[in-house]
Formats: sequence, structure tokens, C-alpha cells
Amino acid sequence: GAGVSQSPRYKVAKRGQDVALRCDPISGHVSLFWYQQALGQGPEFLTYFQNEAQLDKSGLPSDRFFAERPEGSVSTLKIQRTQQEDSAVYLCASSLNRASDGYTFGSGTRLTVV
Amino acid sequence: QQQVKQSPQSLIVQKGGISIINCAYENTAFDYFPWYQQFPGKGPALLIAIRPDVSEKKEGRFTISFNKSAKQFSLHIMDSQPGDSATYFCAASRGGTSYGKLTFGQGTILTVHP
Repeated sequence: GAGVSQSPRYKVAKRGQDVALRCDPISGHVSLFWYQQALGQGPEFLTYFQNEAQLDKSGLPSDRFFAERPEGSVSTLKIQRTQQEDSAVYLCASSLNRASDGYTFGSGTRLTVV
Repeated sequence: QQQVKQSPQSLIVQKGGISIINCAYENTAFDYFPWYQQFPGKGPALLIAIRPDVSEKKEGRFTISFNKSAKQFSLHIMDSQPGDSATYFCAASRGGTSYGKLTFGQGTILTVHP
């Protein structure tokens, strides 16, 4: 497609439930990023993939967060045993190679943990 | 650690006026400074970006001014329009062999009154 597609757009999870968020990057984009955006804040880096390799996961807040990109295209961010503090918008972005190539962000998945 | 500080948090401008948003950074390894525009329910979209080898870059009504010695950069929106009402984020990333993880400011909510 022409842009980065994320699904679902909205997710309500009960505390303790596992969730999976999907990102379809722009075709051919090597780099894929996940960011977390809390209400009223700027996006914060979670993790980075170069093709299928996860090269940086330093921003993942806990071991309940897990991301994968097995075939170097679609990526999934999984959150296990969700907590209220996980409520945020999760943004996926892709770029041809580096940030200076220009990131394209998806519209995000708004996760609400109740 | 807040590596990119953005001000003001919110800004109200009359149509036709100039909107100015400021950012300061700490990490001297940063060498790519983009500005993003975000509308409600959408992901951030790249507006304009600058590298530290130039002091100013202009694209249409949008200008970035960069002061390397002060570690500051700013976005100027000339002839502000109601359609410019959005949240603006400055960001920074490292160059060299880095893949370009972005560090964002906290955001500025711009309202342009007709």
C-alpha cells in the first residue's frame, strides 16, 4: 500500500489480558520502528528492526513487551498481561533505510487497558 | 533524561500571524533535526528537517532556524492558517552508522484562530 497500515485502530483490553498489535510497513522499507505515545506526550522509542533483525529493543519498558518481524515485512508488537500504564497510542513507522530517508508513521493503535 | 526540550506547550496565533516553536537538545551527537506535524487520530507526518551544516532551511511557509553553538533549533510558520492547527513535535537523531532512532520533544499544540 501507499502508507503504513496499523491494526486494530482501537483496542480495549482488560487488565491482565494479552494483546497483539499489527503493522504493515511500506513495501520495500528496510527499517521499521515502534513508538509509544502517551496522552499529551511525544512518541517514545520502543524497538527497531532492520529487515527481520531486531537490532535495538532498548526502549521496551518491560519483559511483557515483545516485538517480531519474522519475514522482514509485517511486524507485531505483543504485550502480555497488560497493565493500566500500558494505555497509550502505539505507533509504527517505516523508512527506506535511515531516519534521514524520512519516516512514515502509521495512524497508530490506541490501547486502553481497563 | 529529557534530551530534547520543546516550548511552548501550547500556542495561540491569529490567522496570518507567525508561529514560533523552540527546541533545545543536549546530545552533541545529534545531527538530524526533523519537525513533525500531528493531527488528532493520525500519526506524525514529516514537515521539514535540517542538518547542522546549515543555519536555516525554508520550505514554503515553514522555516527551521538552527543554532549549533546554543544547541537550539526552532520552527517558524509564516502566514499561519487555521489548517495549521495541530500538534508539532521537534525531534533529533544521531548520524554516522546509527539507523536513526528519533528522540522527540514533548510537543506544542498550535491553535490558529480565523
